[in-house]
Amino acid sequence: QKEVEQDPGPLSVPEGAIVSLNCTYSNSAFQYFMWYRQYSRKGPELLMYTYSSGNKEDGRFTAQVDKSSKYISLFIRDSQPSDSATYLCAGTTDSWGKLQFGAGTQVVVTP
Amino acid sequence: EAQVTQNPRYLITVTGKKLTVTCSQNMNHEYMSWYRQDPGLGLRQIYYSMNVEVTDKGDVPEGYKVSRKEKRNFPLILESPSPNQTSLYFCASSLKGAPSYEQYFGPGTRLTVT
Repeated sequence: QKEVEQDPGPLSVPEGAIVSLNCTYSNSAFQYFMWYRQYSRKGPELLMYTYSSGNKEDGRFTAQVDKSSKYISLFIRDSQPSDSATYLCAGTTDSWGKLQFGAGTQVVVTP
Repeated sequence: EAQVTQNPRYLITVTGKKLTVTCSQNMNHEYMSWYRQDPGLGLRQIYYSMNVEVTDKGDVPEGYKVSRKEKRNFPLILESPSPNQTSLYFCASSLKGAPSYEQYFGPGTRLTVT
C-alpha cells in the first residue's frame, strides 16, 4: 500500500469555483509536506511547501496539514482555466531521499 | 538559465538493449534523483545521490544503475531494459538533500521498451 493516497479524479469545476484537493498518508514520521503542479508533458513544479501541521497561504492557494488525522489538503480559490493540471501531494521525513508521492489528481477548470 | 536537462526526451528501444538517459543540472546542486511516473502509481524514486560518489537506492531500484562521478551529471543506466520499464522518467535536483531546499524537476524522458 502506498504511503500517500490521493484520489486520481478527474475533478472538473467551473471557472471561479474553489478547488479542494485531499491526500492521506500513513507514515507518522513525515514532517514535510508538498503540493506539486504538473502540466501535461511537463515535469512537476513545487506549488506549496509546509513543515509540520498548520496552514499556509500563497495568493489563491492554501495548504493545510493535520498531522493528528494524517490529512493533507490544498485549496485553490477563484480557479482559472490555467489551473487545469495534475496536482501531486507528497510527504517526507527529513530527506528528499525518502520523498513519497500520491498518485496525483487531475483537475479541469472549465471556462 | 537555471535548469535540469534530460536526454533523450523520447526513446523507443527493444528488450535487452542497454541504454543511458542523461541528466544534467547547472545550479551546482548537491542532491540529484531519478523518478519514474506510471498511471495510478504517481512518482516513485529509483535512485538518489546526496553528493558526488554518494548514491543510494530509492523505492524501485531493480533493473537500474546510476553513477555520480561529477556534480552536474547523474545518468540513469538500464543494462537490460524490459517492457515493465516502459515509463515516464524524471530527473530532479536540489541544492541539498534536505526538504527545506526546493527540488527542481527536468522535463521528462518517455521510454518505451518493446
